[in-house]
Amino acid sequence: QKEVEQNSGPLSVPEGAIASLNCTYSDRVSQSFFWYRQYSGKSPELIMSIYSNGDKEDGRFTAQLNKASQYVSLLIRDSQPSDSATYLCAVNPNAGKSTFGDGTTLTVKP
Amino acid sequence: DTGVSQDPRHKITKRGQNVTFRCDPISEHNRLYWYRQTLGQGPEFLTYFQNEAQLEKSRLLSDRFSAERPKGSFSTLEIQRTEQGDSAMYLCASSLVSRAGEQYFGPGTRLTVT
Repeated sequence: QKEVEQNSGPLSVPEGAIASLNCTYSDRVSQSFFWYRQYSGKSPELIMSIYSNGDKEDGRFTAQLNKASQYVSLLIRDSQPSDSATYLCAVNPNAGKSTFGDGTTLTVKP
Repeated sequence: DTGVSQDPRHKITKRGQNVTFRCDPISEHNRLYWYRQTLGQGPEFLTYFQNEAQLEKSRLLSDRFSAERPKGSFSTLEIQRTEQGDSAMYLCASSLVSRAGEQYFGPGTRLTVT
């Protein structure tokens, strides 16, 4: 079992829809969770961090964390074609290295 | 704030040669990380520094790989006796200690070993 698991996709949604990206992790002591966006041929870009159970909203993005279920998700509202990218979930259990999932590829169709 | 920079952006080398990559982190960041990424995979941790101290190195990392951060500013990653399996994107990231998971990545160095 990988430490951080994501559905590889591809996930395809129409423009204006809500995209839902999911991630599970195995290390119960993990305290910090992150979402990165990676466009094709580019490096990862941090878009959201979440440290506490519940929801955290930033513009069109909402991160949701459930530590009991070891589950973190990212919702993208009003999806735009420019949101088409690979979304990486990362866990940072001990304030040291981060462990990344392999990403979910999202395509937003106009 | 100029962001994280990496040099070179691309490197083609022949098997058996040594290569060295450089990373300049965001100036106020005291943490610096190296990751490796291949197509379809997430970044794989290699090593990280806090100031000049190397705090962790991946157990999966061959002893052909070495990294330094001599003055706590820029870092170098050297791969000796390169193999075709070393072909990948090498990513550098930096962060504050207090926000270790909020890592900012450089553009990466793409290594091709022929």
